[in-house]
Amino acid sequence: DQQVKQNSPSLSVQEGRISILNCDYTNSMFDYFLWYKKYPAEGPTFLISISSIKDKNEDGRFTVFLNKSAKHLSLHIVPSQPGDSAVYFCAAIIQGAQKLVFGQGTRLTINP
Amino acid sequence: DTEVTQTPKHLVMGMTNKKSLKCEQHMGHRAMYWYKQKAKKPPELMFVYSYEKLSINESVPSRFSPECPNSSLLNLHLHALQPEDSALYLCASSQRAGRNEQYFGPGTRLTVT
Repeated sequence: DQQVKQNSPSLSVQEGRISILNCDYTNSMFDYFLWYKKYPAEGPTFLISISSIKDKNEDGRFTVFLNKSAKHLSLHIVPSQPGDSAVYFCAAIIQGAQKLVFGQGTRLTINP
Repeated sequence: DTEVTQTPKHLVMGMTNKKSLKCEQHMGHRAMYWYKQKAKKPPELMFVYSYEKLSINESVPSRFSPECPNSSLLNLHLHALQPEDSALYLCASSQRAGRNEQYFGPGTRLTVT
């Protein structure tokens, strides 16, 4: 049972445009969400997080939006840069639990 | 400083060998984690240490043995592994276990022959 789903295995975006990565979850007990970026043969890098009491969090070019009623979150990257090409994982955790639940990842490619 | 270091970067071992993976962080984090990642898959949690005590073991086979000698160090002892155990092994740490950002190390690429 996949509780965190990233339905797009890949996404291709023009440099300078907006990249939108999506994530859906099924467990309404999740109350904290994170996005990670991963280059090949490296560990994931933490990008941004959001608590369930918020609907938006911004950090520079990265913004995460949370729609609790739809059980959906998205990561917006504006403007997209070539260095953003990587695999992006969405993750979620239940309050009081210790285990991050990851989505399957979306490979983002930024084209010049 | 959000650095988690792991050694070695690459490891090739036979099925009868004993080896250890090491992880270190100096961020004062009190939770440390071992993950296994196969190609094109998300990281898969193996163990969680909270305040140097094992708090989660995700039904990992006993040929993997974790150890947390102190709050900065985490080891993973390997013995009698199988070829299907070949993967990227990731260490992570967070301020506390649970609702905190986890910071990952670069990983150890393990190949079992």
